[in-house]
Amino acid sequence: DTGVSQNPRHKITKRGQNVTFRCDPISEHNRLYWYRQTLGQGPEFLTYFQNEAQLEKSRLLSDRFSAERPKGSFSTLEIQRTEQGDSAMYLCASSPTGGLTEAFFGQGTRLTVV
Amino acid sequence: DQQVKQNSPSLSVQEGRISILNCDYTNSMFDYFLWYKKYPAEGPTFLISISSIKDKNEDGRFTVFLNKSAKHLSLHIVPSQPGDSAVYFCAASNPGGGADGLTFGKGTHLIIQP
Repeated sequence: DTGVSQNPRHKITKRGQNVTFRCDPISEHNRLYWYRQTLGQGPEFLTYFQNEAQLEKSRLLSDRFSAERPKGSFSTLEIQRTEQGDSAMYLCASSPTGGLTEAFFGQGTRLTVV
Repeated sequence: DQQVKQNSPSLSVQEGRISILNCDYTNSMFDYFLWYKKYPAEGPTFLISISSIKDKNEDGRFTVFLNKSAKHLSLHIVPSQPGDSAVYFCAASNPGGGADGLTFGKGTHLIIQP
């Protein structure tokens, strides 16, 4: 399978705990994006990387959120001190380059904070 | 504020007829528009896109129309098939302005009736 891969698919955590999600993009894609989707809403942009450089961050990305892409391949999204409002689907996408190209999405990680 | 609006939460169309999904945007800086399709428990799948220099783009049964003066785009599916039943998201970006992240609408749930 050469699509975008996200792990885990589901995560249940207690409020206040830290969680980390992983995304493996399509191998030749140098752009990687993170989005969050809540019920009844469309995906909301969080941040993106060009290779290992984080180029854009949404104001939705509070200081409890951090994303990395250390070698320009896979990426991790960490949420510290989780809150119930963090419960959502976290989607990763990749594209071969910026500009006028579509992004390919993974199946997402469903986070539930209890 | 919702910069990309899909005002119809759901749409029901008979199989074989035309499905028309609408999308409005408020940010005049957007210059690239995309439609994604999403099945339950899966990530969004790219369908078709259009840049602001065009007013129409066609790919098989899918056609996207862009009216820049009205800040409106629409997706036409003809003929509609049962497998088209899904949630459709309109998305926009401004890659030329360095804002590569996509801004999504809330989606329209398309139901194709046999």
